[in-house]
Amino acid sequence: ILNVEQSPQSLHVQEGDSTNFTCSFPSSNFYALHWYRWETAKSPEALFVMTLNGDEKKKGRISATLNTKEGYSYLYIKGSQPEDSATYLCASETGANNLFFGTGTRLTVIP
Amino acid sequence: EAGVTQFPSHSVIEKGQTVTLRCDPISGHDNLYWYRRVMGKEIKFLLHFVKESKQDESGMPNNRFLAERTGGTYSTLKVQPAELEDSGVYFCASSQDLTTQYFGPGTRLLVL
Repeated sequence: ILNVEQSPQSLHVQEGDSTNFTCSFPSSNFYALHWYRWETAKSPEALFVMTLNGDEKKKGRISATLNTKEGYSYLYIKGSQPEDSATYLCASETGANNLFFGTGTRLTVIP
Repeated sequence: EAGVTQFPSHSVIEKGQTVTLRCDPISGHDNLYWYRRVMGKEIKFLLHFVKESKQDESGMPNNRFLAERTGGTYSTLKVQPAELEDSGVYFCASSQDLTTQYFGPGTRLLVL
């Protein structure tokens, strides 16, 4: 069992603000880091899969970075919109191909 | 392309009853996973199928849970007999090449 931690647990931001949150994971036996966006009652939506130290990926206004040596990843949202409100989940993958999830960061964007 | 589908979306049963959850993966995906999220906690891995074979079932909580994937297409997860602590959201995911896992919307199970 891997201990994956996300912070903050929840946050509220004003529309137009940029924000970021953190995922920390054990750096030993690391294989890949996954980010998902989850709206309740819907399927968690895959955002990024990152494997290399120093990786940076971008999808529209959302981007993520990865530091495998120190065991953390940041997710950034630029110019938050109300439709960005969701729970953002990160998961660390070991060589066994199983995902170990954090508890998520619940983002609320206030119009 | 249709995504991962799960049935039912919700189930409310009494303690001691049996419930069977179904997952239809994305067509052509050999890898199928079951996960569970208990209220307020993280999503936890249950097991992983490659085609019809169980690759890893280390996350299955106990022998009240039985997963099958006959024919390597859809999968079922049976809980028998259900206990109160089995309540939660059961997710299924599939992948083609061991990279991105695509999740279904989950089945919300409530055991009373």
